[in-house]
Amino acid sequence: EVQLVESGGGLIQPGGSLRLSCAVSGFIVSDKYMNWVRQAPGRGLEWVSIIYTGGSTDYADSVEGRFTISRDNSKNTVYLQMSRLRAEDTAVYYCARSAGYTTSRYADYWGQGTLVTVSS
Amino acid sequence: EIVLTQSPGTLSLSPGERATLSCRASQSFSSGCLAWYQQKPGQAPRLLIYGASRRATGIPDRFSGSGSGTDFTLTITRLEPEDFAVYYCHQYDNSPPWTFGQGTTVEI
Repeated sequence: EVQLVESGGGLIQPGGSLRLSCAVSGFIVSDKYMNWVRQAPGRGLEWVSIIYTGGSTDYADSVEGRFTISRDNSKNTVYLQMSRLRAEDTAVYYCARSAGYTTSRYADYWGQGTLVTVSS
Repeated sequence: EIVLTQSPGTLSLSPGERATLSCRASQSFSSGCLAWYQQKPGQAPRLLIYGASRRATGIPDRFSGSGSGTDFTLTITRLEPEDFAVYYCHQYDNSPPWTFGQGTTVEI
């Protein structure tokens, strides 16, 4: 059974750093593209970042240079290191698996999400 | 960046009625790289449709997707009580950023 479990969210002051984790089971994390998608309170979904099977990465403009996605194959876990956090980064952060490659990048499995609140 | 605009913002219907949700893109993109998700309060999104018209595993056949180019539609025939939720379209064409529509709320 495929499962994605996020952790690491919490209350953090503006300018601070936080690392989110997404522990996966039921598949090998390095065999799939893995994404982070966020949702601000009462708002819609926003794609944040992706790590490809080869290890390369992409980011939304809003987080480029501040967030870093990575994975630990030995732990079957994906991470999102967030730094220089701003109030507008406040959101539930979801880890989501892409079903496949090229024309199959839709997210077929999602974690339950972890809430990040940036506030003084 | 491809902008997806969903309409209407809110759809007020009754169980048993038909729901038609629209998703319009600011530019055409690779045929079929359009998905629909359902989200209920406090839950993660759930994949309904991918490839514009293909139902995900376990999704009832009352959900159907159609469209191409810049205009896409999600249709829910005969609404069930559990279908009242927010629905998002999502384009996953070749290059990031991959974008979502702002959502349509289907309410009683």
